[in-house]
Amino acid sequence: DIVMTQSPDSLAVSLGERATINCRSSQSLLYTSNNKNYLAWYQKKPGQPPKLLIYWASTRDSGVPDRFSGSGSGTDFTLTISTLQAEDVAVYYCQQYFSIPPTFGGGTKVEIK
Amino acid sequence: QVQVVDSGGGVVHPGRSLRLSCATSGLNISKFAMHWVRQAPGKGLEWVAVVSLNGTRTEYADSVKGRFTIFRDNSKNTLHLQMDSLRFEDTALYYCAVASPTRHWGQGTLVTVSS
Repeated sequence: DIVMTQSPDSLAVSLGERATINCRSSQSLLYTSNNKNYLAWYQKKPGQPPKLLIYWASTRDSGVPDRFSGSGSGTDFTLTISTLQAEDVAVYYCQQYFSIPPTFGGGTKVEIK
Repeated sequence: QVQVVDSGGGVVHPGRSLRLSCATSGLNISKFAMHWVRQAPGKGLEWVAVVSLNGTRTEYADSVKGRFTIFRDNSKNTLHLQMDSLRFEDTALYYCAVASPTRHWGQGTLVTVSS
């Protein structure tokens, strides 16, 4: 199974500042035949199901604010929230869908400083 | 509009069984692999099981292999999870998830295994 490791476990950021979350996979998520990274990011708030933010490592899902961006390739990926808003307080998860089982990272809790 | 509704959760004794269901509307699930994902209290997201488009292939997390069975009825746009020999550690909120990555999720159904 592919192991997904997120860092940090939690971070506190001032409103309007940048938040950066890292995700590392135990093997490459880049499928060379289509040059796509099989990596997604989700936002999880209490009492709600996860919300898909990013797929193919850097493609924002429909309706996701452009302050959310994803980057990286191979085994190292980053989710960036460029200017943190109060409604962004949540736990963020990366997930690989390169192979079964589609494993999740341990999550990163984002709070307001 | 796509709707995904999970049901079937409840409180059950260890060793007993429970069947979860997921009803969908607004999409043809026969076009998607379907998953169950769970979140134990205070823990992260854990993938549980997947069933292929036509239901012939299934995969399970090691933690549930041999005890849980995922199956689907494309004619009714429904997904199910038969959970047998339940353990305390199966206590979690269970989500139905359409495809991976997942844009459409159920709201979750709570399973509590308690004596």
